[in-house]
Amino acid sequence: DAGITQSPRHKVTETGTPVTLRCHQTENHRYMYWYRQDPGHGLRLIHYSYGVKDTDKGEVSDGYSVSRSKTEDFLLTLESATSSQTSVYFCAISESDRTYSGNTIYFGEGSWLTVV
Amino acid sequence: RKEVEQDPGPFNVPEGATVAFNCTYSNSASQSFFWYRQDCRKEPKLLMSVYSSGNEDGRFTAQLNRASQYISLLIRDSKLSDSATYLCVVKSASKIIFGSGTRLSIRP
Repeated sequence: DAGITQSPRHKVTETGTPVTLRCHQTENHRYMYWYRQDPGHGLRLIHYSYGVKDTDKGEVSDGYSVSRSKTEDFLLTLESATSSQTSVYFCAISESDRTYSGNTIYFGEGSWLTVV
Repeated sequence: RKEVEQDPGPFNVPEGATVAFNCTYSNSASQSFFWYRQDCRKEPKLLMSVYSSGNEDGRFTAQLNRASQYISLLIRDSKLSDSATYLCVVKSASKIIFGSGTRLSIRP
């Protein structure tokens, strides 16, 4: 299994509070991603990073920010959590963005977030 | 129209049966393709890549049809442990798109 650790694994928070999810990898992969997964929507990309301090938005980035100060860590922050952000969040890593078949994406175990 | 579409299922088949899923994609410039497996409340895990000439891994066979823009996954001699959701993944130069998944349930 790829060395990806997400924390916290489960969190319940109140509307309006800030929340930070952490993703830590030991694979030294350049690319890191944050996805959310909701019934009927599948996996949707929130933000991704292609290097230290290099990040870009995904398809559902509103309400989220990210930071990557070290190769191994990628943080996802919900500045002011809303109930619509209740979801399971997956961190993922890949060696590069090249589209050859051998370049796969590996996922962390997920972080279950409930906003009440 | 979604960029990647899968029949959500569920497919409910008896142990030992052969089952096949299709996944269609809309971007003709898509370059690489994968099948992932996801168990309930777990992360997606790579099942197999899909090569242009088709490929097999034990009981699993993946095929790509570029002309019709779909990929398929065939599972032979299904086991109870094959029960899961199967996600197709399509990569182009600019993005990676996940299908919503097809649920498979194998009954004894």
